[in-house]
Amino acid sequence: GESVGLHLPTLSVQEGDNSIINCAYSNSASDYFIWYKQESGKGPQFIIDIRSNMDKRQGQRVTVLLNKTVKHLSLQIAATQPGDSAVYFCAHQGGTYKYIFGTGTRLKVLA
Amino acid sequence: DTGVSQDPRHKITKRGQNVTFRCDPISEHNRLYWYRQTLGQGPEFLTYFQNEAQLEKSRLLSDRFSAERPKGSFSTLEIQRTEQGDSAMYLCASSLAGDRGRTGELFFGEGSRLTVL
Repeated sequence: GESVGLHLPTLSVQEGDNSIINCAYSNSASDYFIWYKQESGKGPQFIIDIRSNMDKRQGQRVTVLLNKTVKHLSLQIAATQPGDSAVYFCAHQGGTYKYIFGTGTRLKVLA
Repeated sequence: DTGVSQDPRHKITKRGQNVTFRCDPISEHNRLYWYRQTLGQGPEFLTYFQNEAQLEKSRLLSDRFSAERPKGSFSTLEIQRTEQGDSAMYLCASSLAGDRGRTGELFFGEGSRLTVL
């Protein structure tokens, strides 16, 4: 069945270091992927997306890498800041128009 | 504010009561989604609309849940005979279907938190 999973539930990084959050998915038909950031008490906020015809996409301080061979997605955050502390979700869409979300990874930025 | 808005933000009710949540999507968006989120979990798909048509509904959604989008703009999610297990954050999101039906970014509202006593 469709599933999106995350390797680590909590990630702690020093301020200024780079963060890497990983995500695995199982649906080979998935062709669109999004990373969301969710702060406490708020709705998920879009960070970056990537379609299956791409391997890499860069935004401001963030990069998403897609490896379709092993069905793996990662989010890299450069020079992590205290404001990056949040829960990060990957989501995918494929086959239908609904988005399937993973459980989430909590990122803690240490001063 | 031109984002997705949800009302009420918080609702406390007694078991057995009915509750209704409203979502106003971004005005030009033709797709509207409802998700449910419990503590420590990712958003769980409930249903989605394209314009006024409800195109998919989760098999996890019991008959006590009903959603409407009568004019293809705002949507309501009603839960009848609430149970304690219904306590969660109910998230609404909207998007604009592009070429060949491909969907882009989902824009979420701040959610409606339901507590069933």
